[in-house]
Amino acid sequence: TQLLEQSPQFLSIQEGENLTVYCNSSSVFSSLQWYRQEPGEGPVLLVTVVTGGEVKKLKRLTFQFGDARKDSSLHITAAQPGDTGLYLCAGEGNNDMRFGAGTRLTVKP
Amino acid sequence: DAGVIQSPRHEVTEMGQEVTLRCKPISGHNSLFWYRQTMMRGLELLIYFNNNVPIDDSGMPEDRFSAKMPNASFSTLKIQPSEPRDSAVYFCASSSNRGHDEQYFGPGTRLTVT
Repeated sequence: TQLLEQSPQFLSIQEGENLTVYCNSSSVFSSLQWYRQEPGEGPVLLVTVVTGGEVKKLKRLTFQFGDARKDSSLHITAAQPGDTGLYLCAGEGNNDMRFGAGTRLTVKP
Repeated sequence: DAGVIQSPRHEVTEMGQEVTLRCKPISGHNSLFWYRQTMMRGLELLIYFNNNVPIDDSGMPEDRFSAKMPNASFSTLKIQPSEPRDSAVYFCASSSNRGHDEQYFGPGTRLTVT
C-alpha cells in the first residue's frame, strides 16, 4: 500500500497571504495529481505531474513534483476566499491510485 | 457535457436495508471508479472497471458490498445489508484512459444508515 501524507491537515489564513501544502510518500509514483474539493461536491482535478522535478503553474497555483517522484507541493500566491476547499493529492503506481487525507484550507476575507 | 451523474444525492435508510447507488459516467469514458469518503478514512477506492469489466475490487470492504457495470453508461454499487458504519459519501468517477489519471468525479451520494 502506498501511503500519501498531506500536511498540514488544516490551514486557515487571511486573504492575500501565500501558502504551501505538502504531499509526501516513501513510494515512487508514475504520476501525481492534485484535486480541490468544495463542500457537497466531488473532487475536481487541478493538475497532473509526471516528470521528476516538474513544475506546473495554474494562475496563482504552482505545483512541483519531487525529483525522486515521491513527493509534491502546492504553492498558492495571494490566496483568495475562492481558494477555500479541501486539497487532495493522489499518486498513481503499481496499477492503483491512492489519495491522501487532504489539507483543508480556509481563506478569510 | 453533463458530467458524471449520480443518484440519489442523499439516502437515509435503516440498518439491515438494501441500498443501491447509481452512476452514469461521462459518455465515451471507458473507466469507472467507485470511492467512499469519510472524515476518518478520507477518500478510499472501492472498485474500478475498465470497459465494463471489474479490474480491481480489493478496496471493497466486505461481501455486503457489490458493484456491477452492465453497460458502458451505467453502474451500480449495492450494500446489502447496510450497517451504520457504511454511512459516508460515495463518489463515482470516470476516466477516458485505462489508467487512473484525469478522473472526473460525480457530485456524490451521501448515505446515512441509522
